[in-house]
Amino acid sequence: QVTLRESGPALVKPTQTLTLTCTFSGFSLSTSGMCVSWVRQPPGKALEWLALIDWDDDKYYSTSLKTRLTISKDTSKNQVVLTMTNMDPVDTATYYCARYYGAPGENWFDPWGQGTLVTVSS
Amino acid sequence: EIVMTQSPATLSVSPGERATLSCRASQSVSSNLAWYQQKPGQAPRLLIYGASTRATGIPARFSGSGSGTEFTLTISSLQSEDFAVYYCQQYNNWPPVTFGQGTKVEIK
Repeated sequence: QVTLRESGPALVKPTQTLTLTCTFSGFSLSTSGMCVSWVRQPPGKALEWLALIDWDDDKYYSTSLKTRLTISKDTSKNQVVLTMTNMDPVDTATYYCARYYGAPGENWFDPWGQGTLVTVSS
Repeated sequence: EIVMTQSPATLSVSPGERATLSCRASQSVSSNLAWYQQKPGQAPRLLIYGASTRATGIPARFSGSGSGTEFTLTISSLQSEDFAVYYCQQYNNWPPVTFGQGTKVEIK
């Protein structure tokens, strides 16, 4: 059974850096084709893709947020970490991690973690 | 970047009725489209991939169709547990991965 779980602070102050950890089980990020991605969702709004890391340690970022995002993995711990710098109240959202398949034509998110709500406020 | 547009924003349907949701891509995505269901307070769940293939455990009342730029998700007979928000996602050209803005299916 594949599971993912997000962890990190529930509250951050403006200008601070957010660090979120995705801990997963049931698959290995060293397996060819495997990826883990981050997606966020502001309250009442749509899903927004943020970043992705693949089995080969290639990293991909949202164009609009790439200067603020860093994604990394620790394969031995089955963890993926996302950092977002210079947090702003508009970054208030539920942040999800999800498994993503990197093989051509198989690029969907399944499954998703439960999500973690991050509020940016002073 | 491929822009995904869903319509309508909200769909009011009575239980037992058929619901038809649309998703349009700004350029062809072939059949590289997925649909997700999201209930309040829950994470999205994969429903359909490859435009028309149901994910594991998804009931047969959910069906997807389309290719190129026009896609449809049909729920043949709405059950109470189907009232949720539905998102489409293209994966033909990524990064970036792009989602539609969602269609809320509510009880009429």
